[in-house]
Amino acid sequence: NAGVTQTPKFRVLKTGQSMTLLCAQDMNHEYMYWYRQDPGMGLRLIHYSVGEGTTAKGEVPDGYNVSRLKKQNFLLGLESAAPSQTSVYFCASSYPTIPTKKKLNTEAFFGQGTRLTVV
Amino acid sequence: AQSVAQPEDQVNVAEGNPLTVKCTYSVSGNPYLFWYVQYPNRGLQFLLKYITGDNLVKGSYGFEAEFNKSQTSFHLKKPSALVSDSALYFCAVRGTFGSGNTGKLIFGQGTTLQVKP
Repeated sequence: NAGVTQTPKFRVLKTGQSMTLLCAQDMNHEYMYWYRQDPGMGLRLIHYSVGEGTTAKGEVPDGYNVSRLKKQNFLLGLESAAPSQTSVYFCASSYPTIPTKKKLNTEAFFGQGTRLTVV
Repeated sequence: AQSVAQPEDQVNVAEGNPLTVKCTYSVSGNPYLFWYVQYPNRGLQFLLKYITGDNLVKGSYGFEAEFNKSQTSFHLKKPSALVSDSALYFCAVRGTFGSGNTGKLIFGQGTTLQVKP
């Protein structure tokens, strides 16, 4: 069971280039998330999805787009990379929370991260 | 607005002493609360969660956390710290779907725990 897989693991981009980060999960989770982690800033939510075909903005969505065409995949796109987007990006997935099911595994499972440098 | 605050950037404790890492939250409706740990150059690992029921929850590696609804807090604790507990700890909250919440999972800024021998 692979869990949550992010590709690529490392990438260097030039300012203005575009790229797509792929997140794949094999746990049949409904919810998927993209975060960026910067020193002293913790994890900030970029975009998220509560199901196939749906996406929503998080705390820092500007400069990013996402798509969830298949339940198992959540893509994060940078149309025109900027140095401010240099960061470590994490994808996560989880089940929705159902209050009547106390022991439902509702915690998020994380990928290993993508280290992106924009020069 | 949904938010999480971890008021301490760093917590220092001697090995064998009890530790507390603080977390307060703001969310509509009932909160679902989580603690994660991150070791250097690694992803996040789940430690424990509060969904409903007992206010004291126990998790991995001897950690526990106490949910306090009136103080909107969910502090992480361990009776006896180990040097190997040194890492970055994150608190996270997700609100009840439908109470103005949309499944969003928000993290705090993290607290570095340093356990000295």
